[in-house]
Amino acid sequence: QAGLTQPPSVSKGLGQTATLTCTGNGNNVGNEGAAWLQQHQGHPPKLLSYRNNNRPSGISERFSASRSGNIASLTIAGLQPEDETDYYCSAWDSSLSAWVFGGGTKLTVL
Amino acid sequence: QVQLVESGGGVVQPGRSLRLTCAASGFTLRTYNIHWVRQAPGKGLEWVALIFYGGSDAYYADSVKGRFTISRDNSDNTLYLQMNSLRAEDTAMYYCTKEEDAFDIWGQGTVVTVSS
Repeated sequence: QAGLTQPPSVSKGLGQTATLTCTGNGNNVGNEGAAWLQQHQGHPPKLLSYRNNNRPSGISERFSASRSGNIASLTIAGLQPEDETDYYCSAWDSSLSAWVFGGGTKLTVL
Repeated sequence: QVQLVESGGGVVQPGRSLRLTCAASGFTLRTYNIHWVRQAPGKGLEWVALIFYGGSDAYYADSVKGRFTISRDNSDNTLYLQMNSLRAEDTAMYYCTKEEDAFDIWGQGTVVTVSS
């Protein structure tokens, strides 16, 4: 099953803003939007955002998501050292009747 | 406290079977869609299977279709993943996750290693 496309790595400076992208198609990201998850090494993923820009309770406002057409984005403002980790996008694909994930982006905070 | 706890992982030979269990607490499992998601060592997340709330309808990733079966015991508030004809490429950490707002609650995972 075809997945979503994420850049393997992004680097930004401490305190800066990073924008991670996730490219899908009209059957997944363009249709139902994307969810974003953060995963630290050795831990299960944590939901950051769902259906483009809804944050679960307890998630910092520094994390915001959006979508333009078939591309979803996660913006992380005021980068902190603890933001350095892996980020995944995911979406329901109505043509595959399956959830699909992106390959993940490793964010480095310089 | 809303929690999911996976168990049943281990080392198994290729072609053999294994059943994973996901025990839910703090919520009624049958009222939510529940998924299995796996992560091979050093790799990204891969969706495996979904069972819909209230019934037994399920969807599977192509990579496991016909070999894996997701099921639920409502009386026990427990989810299962029966894995048959295991292959080396099924080696991964297996997570169960609850879908209320996408994948909002995750267990700690259970490791499956398929090796001769």
